[in-house]
Parts: sequence; C-alpha cells; structure tokens
Amino acid sequence: GQQVMQIPQYQHVQEGEDFTTYCNSSTTLSNIQWYKQRPGGHPVFLIQLVKSGEVKKQKRLTFQFGEAKKNSSLHITATQTTDVGTYFCAGPGDFNDMRFGAGTRLTVKP
Amino acid sequence: SQTIHQWPATLVQPVGSPLSLECTVEGTSNPNLYWYRQAAGRGLQLLFYSVGIGQISSEVPQNLSASRPQDRQFILSSKKLLLSDSGFYLCAWSGAWSGNTDTQYFGPGTRLTVL
Repeated sequence: GQQVMQIPQYQHVQEGEDFTTYCNSSTTLSNIQWYKQRPGGHPVFLIQLVKSGEVKKQKRLTFQFGEAKKNSSLHITATQTTDVGTYFCAGPGDFNDMRFGAGTRLTVKP
Repeated sequence: SQTIHQWPATLVQPVGSPLSLECTVEGTSNPNLYWYRQAAGRGLQLLFYSVGIGQISSEVPQNLSASRPQDRQFILSSKKLLLSDSGFYLCAWSGAWSGNTDTQYFGPGTRLTVL
C-alpha cells in the first residue's frame, strides 16, 4: 500500500534559522496535505497541494509539491518559537483515509 | 460550523480493564470518521475508519474495536487493555461539508495511560 516517508524525524534550530522537512511517497499522489501539531495538542490542517510543481506560501511557510507528485517539502524561513511542534505530511490512502508521515518534530531555541 | 468532541480528555486505566472512548461530530452529516493512535513522540497510526453507520474498517489487528451506532458518533472500545495500548487517541472526520473531502479535522484527543 501507499506509504509516506518523512525526514528528518527531529530538527533543533536556533530562533531565526530556517527549517525544512521533506516528504516522499512510494506512489504518485493525487494531493498532499500538511498538518501541524503543537506540543500537547492535536494535528491541525495547514494546506493542501494538488498540482504538479505547485508552490504555496503562508507567511514564512513555503510548501512545494514535486513535479512527479511523489514528494513535497515544507520550508520555514526565520523560525520563531511559535513554530515549535510536529509537522506531518499526509497523502490519500487506498480508501477514504489519509496516510500520515511519521512527522518532523521542530524545536526552536530562543 | 463543524465541531468534533472527544471524551474523556485523559484516562488512567489498569491492565485488563475495559475501555470506551467516544467521539461525536456536530454540524455535518454522513462524515467519514477515523480513530488514530499516537504513541509518545511518534506519528499517527490509523486504527479504524468508517464511511457510514455500522461500516467499520480496521487497519491493524489488535485488541481494540470500533463502532458507529449513529451517523455522527464513533466509539473506540477494548475488553481488556494492554500496557501497549497507552497513547494519545485522536478522532477525526472528513467529508464534503468541509469543502475538501480529504482534509482531516481532528478532535482534542484522549490521553490514555495503562498501568
């Protein structure tokens, strides 16, 4: 079945540094979604990418969908302490479900 | 607007005891419903999903079960808890009411500790 791999598992940065997490699928995805989970909280939907090569921005966050629609990345410019949390990518599963990557846990040192 | 509720928020149970976690969704009809488990510091493991009343699909064999007695109610149960059942249990819904049938909207979760 479809699997979504995400790296790195952990990332610790100094406030102001950039951060990137990468997501790769074993199969072509119709779309890919990104979620953020704050410590102690639940995952919250951030964005969905649908088109090949699509790039979307949300303030300091830049999301990319690969040309082959099998990989994606999330880049945060100039991290802030409010960016702390775990970022998940997710792609459609074989049924009416989404398959989540293992997540990248971001910690930011002030 | 749509809201999703889970209870209890936290639970401490002894090994071998039963479990019942409840999830309800408001403001939508015929949602897809999901149960996930998240071990401490880990990713999301899909346990069950349901596309309608009485329709349950299981992802992994385990000592847990799920039921959907009503359109917007999803219940996770166990007859005898194991230590390995400890984790953060998240209910989620998706469906056409959200404007995007794939997007998952998560409830606040239940933190289960089995001692």
